[in-house]
Amino acid sequence: AQTVTQSQPEMSVQEAETVTLSCTYDTSESDYYLFWYKQPPSRQMILVIRQEAYKQQNATENRFSVNFQKAAKSFSLKISDSQLGDAAMYFCAYRSVLQRSYNTDKLIFGTGTRLQVFP
Amino acid sequence: KAGVTQTPRYLIKTRGQQVTLSCSPISGHRSVSWYQQTPGQGLQFLFEYFSETQRNKGNFPGRFSGRQFSNSRSEMNVSTLELGDSALYLCASSWTPSGNTIYFGEGSWLTVV
Repeated sequence: AQTVTQSQPEMSVQEAETVTLSCTYDTSESDYYLFWYKQPPSRQMILVIRQEAYKQQNATENRFSVNFQKAAKSFSLKISDSQLGDAAMYFCAYRSVLQRSYNTDKLIFGTGTRLQVFP
Repeated sequence: KAGVTQTPRYLIKTRGQQVTLSCSPISGHRSVSWYQQTPGQGLQFLFEYFSETQRNKGNFPGRFSGRQFSNSRSEMNVSTLELGDSALYLCASSWTPSGNTIYFGEGSWLTVV
């Protein structure tokens, strides 16, 4: 079974600085998707960025970028030029691509990292 | 383009009652999945529907059920509510079950007293 681990329960960063959130996962599959979701106090899960495992190039979305290390099974999120609005819970998630088993379609979440941004 | 819409947003129920939550996916999305979020258990998968068929179910008791309609809207039902069912219930939609872009609604907050 696949697992996702976020070892940092809380992180903090100064406004305009850069912060990196860690995520590791365990899987025996070669093809899958990885996601970072942001959950602000409103509790809506907002998709921040996604990465397809077959792509070697790291995904980037504006100030958000990932460092995807497939062999190490690591998927960290870097937030550059941090803003007060970035304060939230951040969840790393995994999803299989295999279609043979319906049980692979669900998202598997880590426990989350609470990010505080100080002015 | 409207996002994933969940109703009701907040509700309070008494132990032993039942509750029905609704989810309207993004227009064109045919896959709907449900997750339960609690402080103790985190985010746990409940079930997934595609083309009115339940494709996958998480490890929850039979009191938790759901269905999907021909317009892709989905409902989940919890019968004989227990205090431990108090949680945020999140609905997510995507084009297909294998879609790599999954969007969530704002959730339905259920409190069981």
